[in-house]
Amino acid sequence: EVQLVESGGGLVQPGGSLRLSCSASGFTFSSYAMHWVRQAPGKGLEYVSAISSNGGSTYYADSVKGRFTISRDNSKNTLYLQMSSLRAEDTAVYYCTRSLRSAIYFDYWGQGTLVTVSS
Amino acid sequence: DIQMTQSPSSLSASVGDRVTITCRASQGISNYLAWYQQKPGKVPKLLIYAASTLQSGVPSRFSGSGSGTDFTLTISSLQPEDVATYYCQKYNSAPITFGQGTRLEIK
Repeated sequence: EVQLVESGGGLVQPGGSLRLSCSASGFTFSSYAMHWVRQAPGKGLEYVSAISSNGGSTYYADSVKGRFTISRDNSKNTLYLQMSSLRAEDTAVYYCTRSLRSAIYFDYWGQGTLVTVSS
Repeated sequence: DIQMTQSPSSLSASVGDRVTITCRASQGISNYLAWYQQKPGKVPKLLIYAASTLQSGVPSRFSGSGSGTDFTLTISSLQPEDVATYYCQKYNSAPITFGQGTRLEIK
């Protein structure tokens, strides 16, 4: 059974940092591109970041470019999102998702982890 | 960037009704479109990819069509468990973008 389990969310002050993790199981992690998608409270889905299956290629939405860093450890089946210079508008549930390299739609999603940026 | 616009933003229909949700791309995206269902308080679920291919396990009352700029998600006979917000997503090229969502309620 495919499972994606996020952790690391919480309350952080504006300007602070946080690292999210996503532990994957039930599939060959190193064969899939991995992504972060977020959803602000009561709002729609926003694509945040992606990393290729071997970690050699990354992508960031303009809204997080220069502040967030995506990475993965295929030996640990874990995806990360290092978030810094956090702003109130980064407050959201962050979902970990996977896709095939050739078609970037998301067939499995984690349960999400809530990040709240507030003083 | 290509914008994805869904219509309507919300709708209310009766059990058994045929329901159609539209997603329009500001430029052609071939058939690189997916649809998701998000029930209240739940995680998004993939319904359809490649505009018309039903994801495994999704009830056959759901169908998708379209190509280029205009796409539709159809529920042939609305069921109470279909109450949710539905999102389209384009994936032909970066940036990946979602529509703003369509909230579906039972009348």
